Amino acid sequence: DVRLVESGGGLVQPGGSLRVSCAASGFTFRSFWMSWVRQAPGKGPEWVANINQDGGEKYYVDSVKGRFTISRDNAKNSLYLQMHGLTDEDTAFYYCARDGPFGGSSWVDHWGQGTLVTVSS
Amino acid sequence: DIQMTQSPSSLSRSVGERVTITCRASLSIGSSLNWYQQRPGKAPNLLIYGATSLQRGVPSRFSGSGSGTDFTLTISSLQPEDLATYYCQQSYGTPRTFGQGTKVEIK
Repeated sequence: DVRLVESGGGLVQPGGSLRVSCAASGFTFRSFWMSWVRQAPGKGPEWVANINQDGGEKYYVDSVKGRFTISRDNAKNSLYLQMHGLTDEDTAFYYCARDGPFGGSSWVDHWGQGTLVTVSS
Repeated sequence: DIQMTQSPSSLSRSVGERVTITCRASLSIGSSLNWYQQRPGKAPNLLIYGATSLQRGVPSRFSGSGSGTDFTLTISSLQPEDLATYYCQQSYGTPRTFGQGTKVEIK
């Protein structure tokens, strides 16, 4: 079975940095586009970024461009999101997500359980 | 960005009743429309992709229809386990935007 397990969330001060990680198993990780989707408490999901199979293509929502970096390590079956310049608007559950067969233009067919990032002083 | 608007924002129906949720895109997205179910305290779960295709393992009481700008998710006979918030999402353009959600409650 596909399994996506996020880690690295926590409390961080405004302006701070944090890296969240995702360990993937149960499928051929290197064959799929992957995404990060976040959801602020009580709000709907917001797609944040995605990355193609070899890491050569990356796309971001405008609100995180220049602050967040998505990356992957196919040897470790892992996905990462490095976040800098965090504000309270970045407070959310961050979900690791596998994109469907059409890659960057696809739906999310599997989600992790999420890791909570709280930005507060 | 493509804006996705869902209606209603919430609804309450009895077990066995039919439920219809609509989603409208701010421009034509063909059939690039997906539906997710999010049960309380859980991650979203894919129900329908490509506007009409049922994800493997999803009960057949769920169905999707529409194309262009107007789409519908239908639950043919509401069950207690369908208590959840439902989101539409377009995968036509980047960023892949979601609707604001429809909360389904059981009477």
